[in-house]
Amino acid sequence: NAGVTQTPKFRVLKTGQSMTLLCAQDMNHEYMYWYRQDPGMGLRLIHYSVGEGTTAKGEVPDGYNVSRLKKQNFLLGLESAAPSQTSVYFCASGKRESQETQYFGPGTRLLVL
Amino acid sequence: GQSLEQPSEVTAVEGAIVQINCTYQTSGFYGLSWYQQHDGGAPTFLSYNALDGLEETGRFSSFLSRSDSYGYLLLQELQMKDSASYFCAVRDNQGGKLIFGQGTELSVKP
Repeated sequence: NAGVTQTPKFRVLKTGQSMTLLCAQDMNHEYMYWYRQDPGMGLRLIHYSVGEGTTAKGEVPDGYNVSRLKKQNFLLGLESAAPSQTSVYFCASGKRESQETQYFGPGTRLLVL
Repeated sequence: GQSLEQPSEVTAVEGAIVQINCTYQTSGFYGLSWYQQHDGGAPTFLSYNALDGLEETGRFSSFLSRSDSYGYLLLQELQMKDSASYFCAVRDNQGGKLIFGQGTELSVKP
């Protein structure tokens, strides 16, 4: 049981470049989430999904898009990266019946120059 | 909307007891969760309180008072490995989301 995995672990981008962050979970969880974490800012929700084929905006969705084509995968896309998107990105998943408990991946560290 | 407040930093010595407080404002409330995050690591779930009172899990306990919109995490017999950030979180009233506080960085000194 790998739990929640994230790819890549670290990436450097130039302003304007695009990339996709991949999150995968093998726990058959219905819900999946993307957060960003910046120093002193805690965890801020970018987008989330309550089921395959559905997505919703979180607290800070601008500049990001997501897709949940398969239940086990949740993709986060940056179409045109900006320095303000330099952050640590965490993916998480959870069960519908216990939404207070989320399982986090190891994180992706993204630097936009 | 929802908002949570917790202290930004707490320092304690090994073997001591420390309490990390969390106050929240919410238009709908399901319960209060606590997460631990070591430096450079992923957040991990510690506890959840849906009802008033104290929940104990080993050295860690969590308390909730719904009438006061207040909760705390109590860590006993502190160890160096407890040095980490601790986040409280409430479930959003629209369902499916957690709103996290900004975290409390706990430093345990020898």
